Formats: sequence, structure tokens, C-alpha cells
Amino acid sequence: DGGITQSPKYLFRKEGQNVTLSCEQNLNHDAMYWYRQDPGQGLRLIYYSQIVNDFQKGDIAEGYSVSREKKESFPLTVTSAQKNPTAFYLCASSTPHREGNQPQHFGDGTRLSIL
Amino acid sequence: AQSVTQPDIHITVSEGASLELRCNYSYGATPYLFWYVQSPGQGLQLLLKYFSGDTLVQGIKGFEAEFKRSQSSFNLRKPSVHWSDAAEYFCAAMIKAAGNKLTFGGGTRVLVKP
Repeated sequence: DGGITQSPKYLFRKEGQNVTLSCEQNLNHDAMYWYRQDPGQGLRLIYYSQIVNDFQKGDIAEGYSVSREKKESFPLTVTSAQKNPTAFYLCASSTPHREGNQPQHFGDGTRLSIL
Repeated sequence: AQSVTQPDIHITVSEGASLELRCNYSYGATPYLFWYVQSPGQGLQLLLKYFSGDTLVQGIKGFEAEFKRSQSSFNLRKPSVHWSDAAEYFCAAMIKAAGNKLTFGGGTRVLVKP
């Protein structure tokens, strides 16, 4: 079955460490997205990529970095510069606009906590 | 600025009763509109979407939503809720010219009483 796989499901980080969250999709989607979810705040866009080797900052990109070397993969690195990294991180993908009507599909998320 | 508002943070409903979740948007033009559902610790599942045409949209799991341009609203409804409908619901909007980026409301958590 096609879908989006996020790993690991739970991740712990020590102060000052960088950690990388994995997101892989086999839906043949061109666009991929990373969101951060905090209680009571909905989802906020961190980074997105519409094609391979290209990505743009979202609303809360500070302290995060991404790469898009393959169509299937869009890993997110939470750097030590991110002062409050504890959150639930969701990856999504979609086909980009032709008629502008392709909703995003989501993975099951990674919960990141600080030790 | 573009925004999506869900006025109700929590709603409690009895099993078998009807449910309505409110969503209002603020955009210069009519956006594409979506409702997603999230069970605890899980990703988001698309319930339904509105692009154009018929303002009453049918979705999965017995949900429907009505687009009202005059009220900038896209409320989600279900005639009779089941215990399995307990979850968090998110309204989202997207403008075609904005790179397929979704703007989410803050979510409404639905609790179902037996």
C-alpha cells in the first residue's frame, strides 16, 4: 500500500544535540511538508519542498533544516538552535497544483522529547 | 493575514446525538477547504474537501460539511455520532497560488459520552 512512513515514532534528544526525523513516501508525490504540532496550537508549517533539490521555509523554520535529495525522502533535522523542540512532528506529501485540488496525505508522526 | 479559526476548543456530545464543528476562514479569495481528523498519537486523515460547486460536501465516516461564502464558514456535521468519533478535528484552507500550503485552525477536540 502507498503511504508515508515516519520514523522513529518516539525520539529523545539531549540538550545540545541535533536529531534527524525520517520521512519517506511511496505515493510518487512531488511535494513534501513538515509540520510541528503543539497542544492547542494546531499544525504549523516548518519547511516544504515542491520538487527535488528545492525547498522553502515555512512559518517556523528557525532551528530546523531539511534536505530533498530524493523524491521519496524529506528528512528534518532539529538542531540545537531550536530552543523548544519538544513537540509532535508530522510529515505530509501531495501532488502539486494542476487544478489546485490535491489534498495532503500525512504520516503517523514522530514525538520528540528532551531528556 | 490568511487565517483559519475554529472557535470551539472542546465539544462534548452524547453518543447518537448530532455534532457540528465550526470553522471560519479569512482569505482575500475563496480558498480550498478541508476537514481532517486525528486520533491520539496518529497522523491526520482527510474527511472531506471543498474546491468549488455544490456547497454541501459529503465525506467519509458519515460526515458532511457546508460551505457558506456569505459567512466565510465551512462547518462540519454528523447526524449521529459514534464513540469512535472521539478525536481531534482540524479545518484547513489552501490558496492555489500559495504553493499548496495548508493553513490549519487550532483544532476542536470531540469527547463522546456513552
